[in-house]
Amino acid sequence: DVKVTQSSRYLVKRTGEKVFLECVQDMDHENMFWYRQDPGLGLRLIYFSYDVKMKEKGDIPEGYSVSREKKERFSLILESASTNQTSMYLCASSLDPDRDRYGYTFGSGTRLTVV
Amino acid sequence: AQSVTQLGSHVSVSEGALVLLRCNYSSSVPPYLFWYVQYPNQGLQLLLKYTTGATLVKGINGFEAGFKKSETSFHLTKPSAHMSDAAEYFCAVLTDKLIFGTGTRLQVFP
Repeated sequence: DVKVTQSSRYLVKRTGEKVFLECVQDMDHENMFWYRQDPGLGLRLIYFSYDVKMKEKGDIPEGYSVSREKKERFSLILESASTNQTSMYLCASSLDPDRDRYGYTFGSGTRLTVV
Repeated sequence: AQSVTQLGSHVSVSEGALVLLRCNYSSSVPPYLFWYVQYPNQGLQLLLKYTTGATLVKGINGFEAGFKKSETSFHLTKPSAHMSDAAEYFCAVLTDKLIFGTGTRLQVFP
């Protein structure tokens, strides 16, 4: 089975801190994604990557950046954490760079609280 | 732009009753469609996926979804709810990226 591993289940950070959320997948998937999940808003795409060193903005990229130095690892960076970034963050990966018809595989999520 | 609408943020059923979770998408071209389930404190798990040509898609745990192009709908059903079905369910549409609905929380009462 494909595994997508997010390094932390729960994080508490202070306003203004630089925060790194790590995601690793073990099935050689080309595509990786970061979503945030908020009640009543569903999942919103922050950034995605279809290849190493490549990144694309999703629907809500403001306040975030990403890094993909290796195919299996996709990091989400909060440059200066703010309280409105308190949320559940979900990483996902998939095959098939043209059409991801197989569905995405998700990690267990990181619940980030910014105080 | 593509969008997904899930009707009802909360649905409650009794154990053994029919489960119906509604999903409508907006597209003139049938996209790829998915249902995901999220159990408490877990990530999303693929429940089922629509493939071109099918009108009824079977998924895991006894769930199935009916695709109706004329109604742009992809509703999720299960004939008999079980307590373990209590979770949040997300409909998603894939065009150039995966777009999610806002989710429906299913509660199952004994």
